[in-house]
Amino acid sequence: KQEVTQIPAALSVPEGENLVLNCSFTDSAIYNLQWFRQDPGKGLTSLLLIQSSQREQTSGRLNASLDKSSGRSTLYIAASQPGDSATYLCAVRLTGYSTLTFGKGTMLLVSP
Amino acid sequence: DTGVSQNPRHKITKRGQNVTFRCDPISEHNRLYWYRQTLGQGPEFLTYFQNEAQLEKSRLLSDRFSAERPKGSFSTLEIQRTEQGDSAMYLCASSPSPGTGDETQYFGPGTRLLVL
Repeated sequence: KQEVTQIPAALSVPEGENLVLNCSFTDSAIYNLQWFRQDPGKGLTSLLLIQSSQREQTSGRLNASLDKSSGRSTLYIAASQPGDSATYLCAVRLTGYSTLTFGKGTMLLVSP
Repeated sequence: DTGVSQNPRHKITKRGQNVTFRCDPISEHNRLYWYRQTLGQGPEFLTYFQNEAQLEKSRLLSDRFSAERPKGSFSTLEIQRTEQGDSAMYLCASSPSPGTGDETQYFGPGTRLLVL
């Protein structure tokens, strides 16, 4: 059974800092990995998707990397802003399946 | 396209009542997923449709839960004889057909259920 772990569970930083969120997974036979953002009481917004054949994806101030062999992904946020405050979720899709297995998320607070 | 929509957004019910949620996926997305999320946890998979066919069901989906996608468009999730443990956010997602180059699952705003 795939297990997804996200560290840290919560993170508080001042505005402008660069930060890294971590995601690890136990089964390396993944098809892709997605990072999502979730604001309190809201649905999920997709940020980045990395296919198993890719090493990283970038969108604006966000960069996600994937190391299948070690079962790890990181989400790098550059020059953090208060508007980045949210919970960030990592989700893995296994090869041969269509569904996602999620971590519990990292709750990020960026203070002005 | 307005994205995935879910109705109602909030539902309060008494234990033992039946509830039904609706999900309208992004048009032309043939894959539709239901997830459940409790406080402080990530979403957990419930069931998955490709067109009108229900291809996968989680063991979380007890016999009190039933989902349909009758014409391969919108989907409904019904919970019979609700229990307090059913209180959660119910999330719907959709994704395009394989081969389109887009593997992203797009989520709706969710339906928050509170069972008293």
